[in-house]
Amino acid sequence: KAGVTQTPRYLIKTRGQQVTLSCSPISGHRSVSWYQQTPGQGLQFLFEYFSETQRNKGNFPGRFSGRQFSNSRSEMNVSTLELGDSALYLCASSLGQNQDTDTQYFGPGTRLTVL
Amino acid sequence: ILNVEQSPQSLHVQEGDSTNFTCSFPSSNFYALHWYRWETAKSPEALFVMTLNGDEKKKGRISATLNTKEGYSYLYIKGSQPEDSATYLCALLEMNKIIFGKGTRLHILP
Repeated sequence: KAGVTQTPRYLIKTRGQQVTLSCSPISGHRSVSWYQQTPGQGLQFLFEYFSETQRNKGNFPGRFSGRQFSNSRSEMNVSTLELGDSALYLCASSLGQNQDTDTQYFGPGTRLTVL
Repeated sequence: ILNVEQSPQSLHVQEGDSTNFTCSFPSSNFYALHWYRWETAKSPEALFVMTLNGDEKKKGRISATLNTKEGYSYLYIKGSQPEDSATYLCALLEMNKIIFGKGTRLHILP
């Protein structure tokens, strides 16, 4: 079974621009979660999508948004980029049956640099 | 504010030695605790999902215990090997929130 894939792997943008990241989950997984990893804050939860609906949301500003398609692929969008948005963005997929105990499988991440 | 603490932040262990580290969390409204291993240049890999007080899980040389009453989980590695070098993360699930600790960075010395 193919693992979780994320594209692109690396991205450089300038302040004020917007960016879209993509995540393809493991086949059969219906839940996709997004995380931001920064050296200072560690791994932080952005949001989770299940069956094309946002089911959970972390404490990030509205500039961070996402969506999920009928094939469970998910995209994350960040508008009006700030320098502090430079981070590794990870997505993880799971079956989605139990949010607390499902095993999450992580993708390789997208490294975003904002100049 | 829900806070998950991991200690120590970093650990150097001689190859062949056993080691353990801690994940501490507020004990109220506990739902589940996840442990992950994150090797450099790779993706985080799930190790254990723990839900019940007194839970003990084992995977090869790695095991974990859970005490929800006092709010901690221990991860043990027996007979450390070079491939155990990684950051070990715990994540607390509580009412649809997931909070990660900052991790314990484990270095195995040859």
